[in-house]
Amino acid sequence: NAGVTQTPKFQVLKTGQSMTLQCAQDMNHEYMSWYRQDPGMGLRLIHYSVGAGITDQGEVPNGYNVSRSTTEDFPLRLLSAAPSQTSVYFCASRSLKSSGNTIYFGEGSWLTVV
Amino acid sequence: AQKVTQAQTEISVVEKEDVTLDCVYETRDTTYYLFWYKQPPSGELVFLIRRNSFDEQNEISGRYSWNFQKSTSSFNFTITASQVVDSAVYFCALSWEGGGNKLTFGTGTQLKVEL
Repeated sequence: NAGVTQTPKFQVLKTGQSMTLQCAQDMNHEYMSWYRQDPGMGLRLIHYSVGAGITDQGEVPNGYNVSRSTTEDFPLRLLSAAPSQTSVYFCASRSLKSSGNTIYFGEGSWLTVV
Repeated sequence: AQKVTQAQTEISVVEKEDVTLDCVYETRDTTYYLFWYKQPPSGELVFLIRRNSFDEQNEISGRYSWNFQKSTSSFNFTITASQVVDSAVYFCALSWEGGGNKLTFGTGTQLKVEL
């Protein structure tokens, strides 16, 4: 019953450092996405993918890169971390086999950039 | 544009009180889906319910009930006989057929249930 697995759960970065948030799902979902959660702003979409080799930008993509080499994995890369990227990050996935399928979230990754 | 509004930032109730969390949405699509998620203090997002735009039936699940009204573009969530374990942030969200499977969230309502 792994579902959507995110690592690491907590991370502190210095400004300018790079890192990758890992996300894996074992439900064979075509659609995967990354959101960030900031106080008073709900969750905002960063990037998403509808299948291996296909990615697209969401609402707040600047400063982040993604790739989708396999169905299972969808890593999020911060190339040069900035304090504005301090946030909680959620990976999510869903099946595209029918419309409106429920989106399932990972447990979140708390990132602090100092 | 698609939008979800949760006007209540924070609600405090005493245990056993009933509480309703409001959600108002905007979309031009005729086919869309509405969701409620719970985020307890531990931080994970827990799926509660999904409702299709063509199904206006209200739903009850234990102490939880949802009132979907297309005429007012609302999808409100009521907790009956609230308990301390209901304390969490609750998010309403919208996805739509023409939206590339994206989910738009409201800003959330913090519910505090006190003894």
